[in-house]
Amino acid sequence: GQQVMQIPQYQHVQEGEDFTTYCNSSTTLSNIQWYKQRPGGHPVFLIQLVKSGEVKKQKRLTFQFGEAKKNSSLHITATQTTDVGTYFCAGEGSQGNLIFGKGTKLSVKP
Amino acid sequence: NAGVTQTPKFRILKIGQSMTLQCTQDMNHNYMYWYRQDPGMGLKLIYYSVGAGITDKGEVPNGYNVSRSTTEDFPLRLELAAPSQTSVYFCASSPSRILNSPLHFGNGTRLTVT
Repeated sequence: GQQVMQIPQYQHVQEGEDFTTYCNSSTTLSNIQWYKQRPGGHPVFLIQLVKSGEVKKQKRLTFQFGEAKKNSSLHITATQTTDVGTYFCAGEGSQGNLIFGKGTKLSVKP
Repeated sequence: NAGVTQTPKFRILKIGQSMTLQCTQDMNHNYMYWYRQDPGMGLKLIYYSVGAGITDKGEVPNGYNVSRSTTEDFPLRLELAAPSQTSVYFCASSPSRILNSPLHFGNGTRLTVT
């Protein structure tokens, strides 16, 4: 079946360092969504990418959608302690539902 | 605006017991979903509904049942609880299909089966 894979599973950074998580799909995606889940919280929608090669920015966060629409990345510049959490990518499955990656858990040391 | 509300927040069940996890949304969204999240894992879709009276299985439906009698409510039923159902359960809703339509999640129900 369709799979969405994320790497790395964990990332520990010093505050101020950059962070990147990568998402790869076994099939071409019509779109990809990114969510952030704070410890003990629920996933919160960050952004959706639809177009091949699309790049979107939200302050220190940069999201990219690959040209082949099979991969995506989230890059955080100069991490802060408020960035702590787990970042999930999710692609649309054949049933029209979202298939989530396992997430990348980010910890930031002050 | 309450959004998606789940009850209870926590529950401990004994093996073989049954319970219903409640989910209600006040955004008039047609689509509703139930996910489970196990430690270190992503979210697995249990069941979803595209509107009142319509439900369909997701990736991991075994051991669960749902109903959708109204647009607002989408309860999840566990009939014979098993330790493998220990997890955090999230209900979510969206106004339409995935494209251009992010999911709004509830705060989750943490269920332990012993």
